[in-house]
Amino acid sequence: DAGVIQSPRHEVTEMGQEVTLRCKPISGHNSLFWYRQTMMRGLELLIYFNNNVPIDDSGMPEDRFSAKMPNASFSTLKIQPSEPRDSAVYFCASTTTMNTEAFFGQGTRLTVV
Amino acid sequence: QQPVQSPQAVILREGEDAVINCSSSKALYSVHWYRQKHGEAPVFLMILLKGGEQKGHEKISASFNEKKQQSSLYLTASQLSYSGTYFCGIRGSNNDMRFGAGTRLTVKP
Repeated sequence: DAGVIQSPRHEVTEMGQEVTLRCKPISGHNSLFWYRQTMMRGLELLIYFNNNVPIDDSGMPEDRFSAKMPNASFSTLKIQPSEPRDSAVYFCASTTTMNTEAFFGQGTRLTVV
Repeated sequence: QQPVQSPQAVILREGEDAVINCSSSKALYSVHWYRQKHGEAPVFLMILLKGGEQKGHEKISASFNEKKQQSSLYLTASQLSYSGTYFCGIRGSNNDMRFGAGTRLTVKP
């Protein structure tokens, strides 16, 4: 398996633009997590899905952030409109049960100028 | 709801030992430890389950005190390759996984 695949790896956009981050989890994994990593806050859990259903989005910072998982092999995290403070590395991770490891994608480094 | 890690940073000489602690205010179902190198994704080290079962690799061990809701990661005879930021992840009853702020470990020759 190729592992968790995220795209793009790097994104530079202007303030106010819409940004869409993509994630393909490992086949067979039924839990998917989106994290944001900054120096100040570390790895923050934004939202997670079980069997494609969003379970907890309390970590989503504002209404500007939204996430979807239309099927078991694809998820998106959208920021609209983007702001400079959204600049961070966004990770997607997938796993099966609570007792197994989570696998992380390589992350998307987002820069909003 | 994020677990609390300590220390925030530690500097070691090769061959020295270190302990990283992780505590949570909520009930734990499992504790996961990851290491992240600069510019890379976190990589799994170890998982500790309720009941004492451990799954991991490398020369790293950990403990899990369910009653105190704490876990500790033990790095013995550290090597240069151990340098990185260590995160503990706590999985709760509804399958979420939340990480601490991380502990930056630097091993010097």
